[in-house]
Amino acid sequence: QVQLQESGPGLVKPSQTLSLTCTVSGGSISSGDYYWTWIRQPPGKGLEWLGYIFHSGSTYYSPSLKSRITMSLDTSKNQVSLKLNSVTAADTAVYYCARAEYYFDNSVPRLNWFDPWGQGTLVTVSS
Amino acid sequence: QSVLTQPPSVSAAPGQKVTISCSGSSSNIGNNYVSWYQQLPGTAPKLLIYDNYKRPSGIPDRFSGSKSGTSATLGITGLQTGDEADYYCGTWDSSLSVGGVFGGGTKLTVL
Repeated sequence: QVQLQESGPGLVKPSQTLSLTCTVSGGSISSGDYYWTWIRQPPGKGLEWLGYIFHSGSTYYSPSLKSRITMSLDTSKNQVSLKLNSVTAADTAVYYCARAEYYFDNSVPRLNWFDPWGQGTLVTVSS
Repeated sequence: QSVLTQPPSVSAAPGQKVTISCSGSSSNIGNNYVSWYQQLPGTAPKLLIYDNYKRPSGIPDRFSGSKSGTSATLGITGLQTGDEADYYCGTWDSSLSVGGVFGGGTKLTVL
């Protein structure tokens, strides 16, 4: 059974870089059977999809964050990483990593459903 | 402002049935699969329905999903107090440079 666990600093100062790691157990991120994705949820608000990364290293980011976000893989540790730079208070949220099923349409990948999810980690942006 | 539109809240008595709607457009729901997630208080979202109507192993058949055109619906029958949660619909948006999208979430209260 695949399990995901997020980790990283709970407090980040404004203008600095948020860095989180998602450790995957019970399955390999290198298999190519799934995409790996990050989703966040500001306190009391809804879900926001941030982007995905595939075992090949190919990525796709939400247009609203594209200039500030980077996702990467460490296959030796079976980890997926998220970096978000130039953070502001608006980036305060619970950050989730999730495994994503996908399909192709005209050779373009589309994410389908997300399962499982990590338990999430709260990141607060404050000085 | 979420790309997919859900009612902010619904409520019903124990044992009753409730439906939660999710409205989108041809670039998202109209041409992609819909999934639904249940988020119990203080926990991570959990996959409830995928591929518009399929249930993962372990999800009771009290939960059902459907899709018609650019809208999707989650149905829950035999409501239990343990069903009180936030419910989110999700799909892919094929418009240029969009990606994964969710509804704003619906708070279910079991009276």
